[in-house]
Amino acid sequence: NAGVTQTPKFQVLKTGQSMTLQCAQDMNHNSMYWYRQDPGMGLRLIYYSASEGTTDKGEVPNGYNVSRLNKREFSLRLESAAPSQTSVYFCASSGGRGYEQYFGPGTRLTVT
Amino acid sequence: AQSVAQPEDQVNVAEGNPLTVKCTYSVSGNPYLFWYVQYPNRGLQFLLKYITGDNLVKGSYGFEAEFNKSQTSFHLKKPSALVSDSALYFCAVSDPEAGANNLFFGTGTRLTVIP
Repeated sequence: NAGVTQTPKFQVLKTGQSMTLQCAQDMNHNSMYWYRQDPGMGLRLIYYSASEGTTDKGEVPNGYNVSRLNKREFSLRLESAAPSQTSVYFCASSGGRGYEQYFGPGTRLTVT
Repeated sequence: AQSVAQPEDQVNVAEGNPLTVKCTYSVSGNPYLFWYVQYPNRGLQFLLKYITGDNLVKGSYGFEAEFNKSQTSFHLKKPSALVSDSALYFCAVSDPEAGANNLFFGTGTRLTVIP
């Protein structure tokens, strides 16, 4: 039981490049989330998927797209990376309302 | 709209002393409240939650938190701090009446336990 896994762990991009962050969970959770963590700002929700087949914008969605590939997998895509997207990205999953979220180990992304 | 405030960026406590990490929240209805801990270069780990019922909730590693509706607070406590408790702590709130299970996080409090 691996929980929530994320790939890659680290990535350096040049401005304008694109990339996809991958996330998978093996807990049969319906809901999945993408957050970014920046110093002094806590975690901010980028996108979420309440259930397979649905996705919705969170607090800071601009510059990102997501795909809920199936119940297990939820990917985050940066189409044209910008230095402002330098951050640590966390994926999480949850069984639903009132249930805690389980977090992956994070992806540290630097955009130069 | 939901929000969470953690008024202290840094809390220092001596090993063996009690610790408190403060959290206040704002939601329109009855909140779901959570505490998470983050160790360096790791993801967040769930500590405890309040959904309903007893205002005092107990969680992992000897931590507990008290829900106070009148003061809109959910402070994290531990009777005797360990050096290994040193980490970044996040309070989070969810509004069940908002129709989604999204969490809103505070900005975090760095706890340092001094040997």
